[in-house]
Amino acid sequence: ETGVTQTPRHLVMGMTNKKSLKCEQHLGHNAMYWYKQSAKKPLELMFVYSLEERVENNSVPSRFSPECPNSSHLFLHLHTLQPEDSALYLCASSQAAGYEQYFGPGTRLTVT
Amino acid sequence: ELKVEQNPLFLSMQEGKNYTIYCNYSTTSDRLYWYRQDPGKSLESLFVLLSNGAVKQEGRLMASLDTKARLSTLHITAAVHDLSATYFCAVDISRAGNQFYFGTGTSLTVIP
Repeated sequence: ETGVTQTPRHLVMGMTNKKSLKCEQHLGHNAMYWYKQSAKKPLELMFVYSLEERVENNSVPSRFSPECPNSSHLFLHLHTLQPEDSALYLCASSQAAGYEQYFGPGTRLTVT
Repeated sequence: ELKVEQNPLFLSMQEGKNYTIYCNYSTTSDRLYWYRQDPGKSLESLFVLLSNGAVKQEGRLMASLDTKARLSTLHITAAVHDLSATYFCAVDISRAGNQFYFGTGTSLTVIP
């Protein structure tokens, strides 16, 4: 595997479910990011991790919970989501925070 | 609140023609990125512009940055069908990577 990979690629979940999105980067980078891409809206930066520490940024509902166990892996834990959370969730990584970002293929999430 | 505005939002152009996409942003930054996204795919990095007056070219695309005007342009020369995609600019206003803002995107269709 090369670059940034994400699993699953598609996910359908009910509002009461708990699921997790996984991202893995094979680039030796030290920063990882989660973005949300909704229809007709700009990409929104959700979370940033630099050297496995979370960098606070825009507020995100607590039903989204990130986890970065090491510099190669990033998770987004989901629980009690709302239909408006349906979107494409993109993971990215960069050499260090603030450097050029490389994106994964995304997970298409549908909340029913 | 930082605003990153692209225009036009939709662009339909004939093969062989030239056109420019504009990206305006509302606060000081000297780090601007251009990305391409094909339908159903992730984002591909095109250009990284890190200083006032920076100009980069790759094939039929050329990007420039004017930090004083808070303006970046993506110029398309002699368009071909393969350039059909959505193009995003993104502005980084924090070296920490936690303030990375995307424009709304420009959907480009090149017509034979």
